[in-house]
Amino acid sequence: RKEVEQDPGPFNVPEGATVAFNCTYSNSASQSFFWYRQDCRKEPKLLMSVYSSGNEDGRFTAQLNRASQYISLLIRDSKLSDSATYLCVVNGASGGSYIPTFGRGTSLIVHP
Amino acid sequence: NAGVTQTPKFRVLKTGQSMTLLCAQDMNHEYMYWYRQDPGMGLRLIHYSVGEGTTAKGEVPDGYNVSRLKKQNFLLGLESAAPSQTSVYFCASSGGSSFRSTDTQYFGPGTRLTVL
Repeated sequence: RKEVEQDPGPFNVPEGATVAFNCTYSNSASQSFFWYRQDCRKEPKLLMSVYSSGNEDGRFTAQLNRASQYISLLIRDSKLSDSATYLCVVNGASGGSYIPTFGRGTSLIVHP
Repeated sequence: NAGVTQTPKFRVLKTGQSMTLLCAQDMNHEYMYWYRQDPGMGLRLIHYSVGEGTTAKGEVPDGYNVSRLKKQNFLLGLESAAPSQTSVYFCASSGGSSFRSTDTQYFGPGTRLTVL
């Protein structure tokens, strides 16, 4: 079983829709959590960090559930420009360092 | 401030050839990473470094070597390229002078490598 798992999708939604992605992780000692966005043939870029209390950035809301070991990303009022792959990243401690593990990504397609 | 740069952007090799990919960052980051990304596989960590002069193995280190002789540079070497190493390679950096799990990564634009 992969350490970080995501539904690959694609999620195909109309503009204005609300869409949510989940990501599960297997290492209960994981320290920190992130969502990255990756456009086709481009490098990943940080979308937002995920805090224990949950956090919001405009139309994006991230939640962490440590008991069930998953994080979520909610996108409200989807735009065409939100079409991308969303990568879940979990940092786990390893010998004094923090090693990131990426999920395989969830593809989102927003259509007119 | 260029961030993270990678050279070359594209390369085609024949089986058995060797090459070195260069990653450079100008953010004074301690951590640097090399990943490969294959269709349907996500990003997999090859090697990483937690500071100048240090390197460590990631999830898929076989067939690759790395060096971090200067803090700003992280080199990835393929000694004898194989078709299975055809991939997109991303370098990333993160972290200041103290280790924090919450530090985010900044990625270079990637190197597209094809091994024939």
